[in-house]
Amino acid sequence: GAGVSQSPRYKVAKRGQDVALRCDPISGHVSLFWYQQALGQGPEFLTYFQNEAQLDKSGLPSDRFFAERPEGSVSTLKIQRTQQEDSAVYLCASSSPRASVGNTIYFGEGSWLTVV
Amino acid sequence: AQSVTQLGSHVSVSEGALVLLRCNYSSSVPPYLFWYVQYPNQGLQLLLKYTSAATLVKGINGFEAEFKKSETSFHLTKPSAHMSDAAEYFCASAQAGTALIFGKGTTLSVSS
Repeated sequence: GAGVSQSPRYKVAKRGQDVALRCDPISGHVSLFWYQQALGQGPEFLTYFQNEAQLDKSGLPSDRFFAERPEGSVSTLKIQRTQQEDSAVYLCASSSPRASVGNTIYFGEGSWLTVV
Repeated sequence: AQSVTQLGSHVSVSEGALVLLRCNYSSSVPPYLFWYVQYPNQGLQLLLKYTSAATLVKGINGFEAEFKKSETSFHLTKPSAHMSDAAEYFCASAQAGTALIFGKGTTLSVSS
């Protein structure tokens, strides 16, 4: 696709419900990132994939958060037993084929999660 | 550990005035530095990035930023603000092998 695509754009979940957020990166992009952005805050790193390998998951806030990218393209961020503090925008980003820190990282429009 | 500090959570300017958004970084070695803009209900769009080439970096929409190692700063400027510049701006840094670390953001308001 032309850009990073995320779905659903908006999700309202009842406390305790499991949710799954999908990210379609730009075709051919090796690196994929997930960020969490709370209201009025900057994005905070959650996890990073290079192809199908999850190289860094140090930002995942608890074991209720799980991310996968089984075929090295589409990624899913799963949140189990959602809590109100999980309410945030979840941003997915990808970068160009030659994964390098200087490469431009392209962000999707985010999935807005509200836990009630 | 690296960190990014954006001074001023909210900046207001008049249309046509100079825009100055401040960013300071903290890391043991000079990082790669980025400015992103976020319009309401949209994702982050890259304005410009510093990757150890020229210290004065020009970006899209007339924005530029200057890397100053002695001040550990990477302030964003635009000579003349436009109404369409009103948005949230994020400074970010990265080291080799690490993900982007973002500041808390600065909301830019532009009045006519």
